[in-house]
Amino acid sequence: AQSVTQPDIHITVSEGASLELRCNYSYGATPYLFWYVQSPGQGLQLLLKYFSGDTLVQGIKGFEAEFKRSQSSFNLRKPSVHWSDAAEYFCAVGVSGTYKYIFGTGTRLKVLA
Amino acid sequence: DSGVTQTPKHLITATGQRVTLRCSPRSGDLSVYWYQQSLDQGLQFLIQYYNGEERAKGNILERFSAQQFPDLHSELNLSSLELGDSALYFCASSVGPGIQETQYFGPGTRLLVL
Repeated sequence: AQSVTQPDIHITVSEGASLELRCNYSYGATPYLFWYVQSPGQGLQLLLKYFSGDTLVQGIKGFEAEFKRSQSSFNLRKPSVHWSDAAEYFCAVGVSGTYKYIFGTGTRLKVLA
Repeated sequence: DSGVTQTPKHLITATGQRVTLRCSPRSGDLSVYWYQQSLDQGLQFLIQYYNGEERAKGNILERFSAQQFPDLHSELNLSSLELGDSALYFCASSVGPGIQETQYFGPGTRLLVL
């Protein structure tokens, strides 16, 4: 069965530090992969998505993610974190042919001033 | 502001009751999705409609039903409510039905069942 794992429930980084949020998926075919951000009291916003092609994907707000098929991973990165990046981040996989989406449990990011 | 609106923002009701959540998609979007976010289950995809037709079903309970109307707004009906149905319910919309579409999420309806 398809699944998405975000191993880190909470991550704390200092402002200006680099960030990497981990995401591992279990899926038989080439997945459709997404990263969303949810700020407190808000809905989700798409940061970036990957379907095919270049495995390094650029998104909004300075985020990028790299698809690594051999590791079944799609980790999210940002070179320098801003206080406004404090939020919850969700990785998701789209199951082709079914139109269904499976979300990870989320990683809550705290940014220290 | 994503352009997706949801009403009401908050809803408090009792067990056994029935409620209706409403969603208006972004102008031009034909596809509507419903999600449930709870502490114990996380974020779960419930159902998708495209241009009035059901397109995909996720983990939606039989007590729940949805529909998309000709003006493209959608309603999620929750009946015989249980304490465990307390959650944040999101609606999202996209232009097309495909898995690759960018979904735009509304602010959610917070449901509390007492």
